[in-house]
Amino acid sequence: EVQLVQSGAEVKKPGESLKISCKGSGYSFTSYWIGWVRQMPGKGLEWMGIIYPGDSDTRYSPSFQGQVTISADKSISTAYLQWSSLKASDTAMYYCARLNGGYDDPWGQGTLVTVSS
Amino acid sequence: EIVLTQSPATLSLSPGERATLSCRASQSVSSYLAWYQQKPGQAPRLLIYDASNRATGIPARFSGSGSGTDFTLTISSLEPEDFAVYYCQQRSNLYTFGQGTKLEIK
Repeated sequence: EVQLVQSGAEVKKPGESLKISCKGSGYSFTSYWIGWVRQMPGKGLEWMGIIYPGDSDTRYSPSFQGQVTISADKSISTAYLQWSSLKASDTAMYYCARLNGGYDDPWGQGTLVTVSS
Repeated sequence: EIVLTQSPATLSLSPGERATLSCRASQSVSSYLAWYQQKPGQAPRLLIYDASNRATGIPARFSGSGSGTDFTLTISSLEPEDFAVYYCQQRSNLYTFGQGTKLEIK
């Protein structure tokens, strides 16, 4: 069974750094793109970017370029989303998903990030 | 950036009725469009890909149509579990999502 398991909820202060993870299993991790999606409280889905773990080729939405860093460690089948300096506006649920045929399927369970002083 | 506009924002229907949801792209995305369903507290789920293909395990009452800039998701006869938020997504030029349509019980 293809599964993506994300790291647990985080509570951080503004200005702190953070790295959340997404571990893939049940398939060849290096052969499929992984994407990240943000969902702010009560709002819709926003596409952030994707990474190909096989060679770490990465693409970002213009809205998120320079705001976050997407990376992957293929030795442990894990993709990451990280911030160097969090803002209150980064408070959201973050989902990872495998791109299958170009679309997000399946999705991880989500990681809730709360940034508050 | 390609903008996807979904309509209506909210659709109020009863179980057994037919639902028609629309997604319009700001420029042609060919057939590179998907539909997702999201229920409260859950991750989204892929329903339709490449405009008209049902994803694995998706019931036949869900169907998609369209190409270019205008797309439709149709649910032929609503079941209680179909009331959720639906998003379209394009992959013609990077990726973007529409703002969502909430399908609520009338």
